[in-house]
Amino acid sequence: DAGVTQSPTHLIKTRGQQVTLRCSPKSGHDTVSWYQQALGQGPQFIFQYYEEEERQRGNFPDRFSGHQFPNYSSELNVNALLLGDSALYLCASSLDDEAFFGQGTRLTVV
Amino acid sequence: GDSVTQMEGPVTLSEEAFLTINCTYTATGYPSLFWYVQYPGEGLQLLLKATKADDKGSNKGFEATYRKETTSFHLEKGSVQVSDSAVYFCALIGDLYNFNKFYFGSGTKLNVKP
Repeated sequence: DAGVTQSPTHLIKTRGQQVTLRCSPKSGHDTVSWYQQALGQGPQFIFQYYEEEERQRGNFPDRFSGHQFPNYSSELNVNALLLGDSALYLCASSLDDEAFFGQGTRLTVV
Repeated sequence: GDSVTQMEGPVTLSEEAFLTINCTYTATGYPSLFWYVQYPGEGLQLLLKATKADDKGSNKGFEATYRKETTSFHLEKGSVQVSDSAVYFCALIGDLYNFNKFYFGSGTKLNVKP
């Protein structure tokens, strides 16, 4: 089992651009959550997807959106990128009381 | 709302020293508590967890006890190794029905010197 896989591992974008990050959950996991980890900080909850619907959302603007596909994989989209969006973006998948994190995508906005 | 506060780092220790990283929490209801570890350039790995008061989580020589009376979940290890150098995050889940919504502390960086 490959666990939670995220792509790409690193990404550099310019302010104002749009970005899409991808996550494949651990086999059998039906819930995917996304977190933003700024440098030197703990991860902050962005949103959670279950059954292809956004189930919960943290305190992030509408520029952050997502999608979950029938195979449970997920995408995180960020529009109109700001310098402050530079961070490690973590995906976590879960089933019942088990949760696993991916290695993350390092996004740098210049 | 739910939150976690952990001691600031970095914490620098010599190999075989005793480690304590303090963590306190605020939560409504009965949260589950976790310690995660992050090695350089990597994601988060679950180190240990406790789901109810007085439970002790343990793994790889690390221990933490869920203390409801002091709202604490301090991480301890009796003898650290250089390979334990990493950033440690205390976290909680406030509601088991929203299992994947973690609240994290800001992390404590541990440096262990040979």
